[in-house]
Amino acid sequence: DAGVTQSPTHLIKTRGQQVTLRCSPKSGHDTVSWYQQALGQGPQFIFQYYEEEERQRGNFPDRFSGHQFPNYSSELNVNALLLGDSALYLCASSSDDRGAKNIQYFGAGTRLSVL
Amino acid sequence: AQSVTQPDIHITVSEGASLELRCNYSYGATPYLFWYVQSPGQGLQLLLKYFSGDTLVQGIKGFEAEFKRSQSSFNLRKPSVHWSDAAEYFCAVGRHYGGSQGNLIFGKGTKLSVKP
Repeated sequence: DAGVTQSPTHLIKTRGQQVTLRCSPKSGHDTVSWYQQALGQGPQFIFQYYEEEERQRGNFPDRFSGHQFPNYSSELNVNALLLGDSALYLCASSSDDRGAKNIQYFGAGTRLSVL
Repeated sequence: AQSVTQPDIHITVSEGASLELRCNYSYGATPYLFWYVQSPGQGLQLLLKYFSGDTLVQGIKGFEAEFKRSQSSFNLRKPSVHWSDAAEYFCAVGRHYGGSQGNLIFGKGTKLSVKP
């Protein structure tokens, strides 16, 4: 059983460019959350998708957007990249049928470097 | 405001010694609490969780944690550390809205180094 998979592993972009990161959830999971982890910090919540809709959002600008597909996989898009967007982006999946007592399982992340 | 504090940025222990990593949280409702571990270049692996019931919870790799509501703490412990435990450890509280799941709020992490 594959866990949460993310692609690509590493990415280098230039300021002002746009980037798309991808996530496939663990089998049987229907909810995907995205987190940004800056160097030396804990992960910060970006947003969560369920039933192809953004259900919750953290304190991130509109440059950060996402999508969830019918097969529950998800994309994170970041427009107009800034140097400060350099970070490890983590995807987590969970099952909504556990309600509030859900467990989020994380992928290995995508390391984004903005030059 | 909801938050998680891990007071120790970096801890070094000798192999075979005991370990305690501290975590304090601020959350208005019943907290759902987690400890995750992150090895270099890796994602987060769940060590253990607390939802309700017994305040001493057991996890993987010989770790345990104790929930103390009066102290708003959820400290992680291990009686004998192995060199392979060297990693970064994150405490998190899970936000929830009634019966709906929410996001995780993480502390800044504690880096554990193990001396041979």
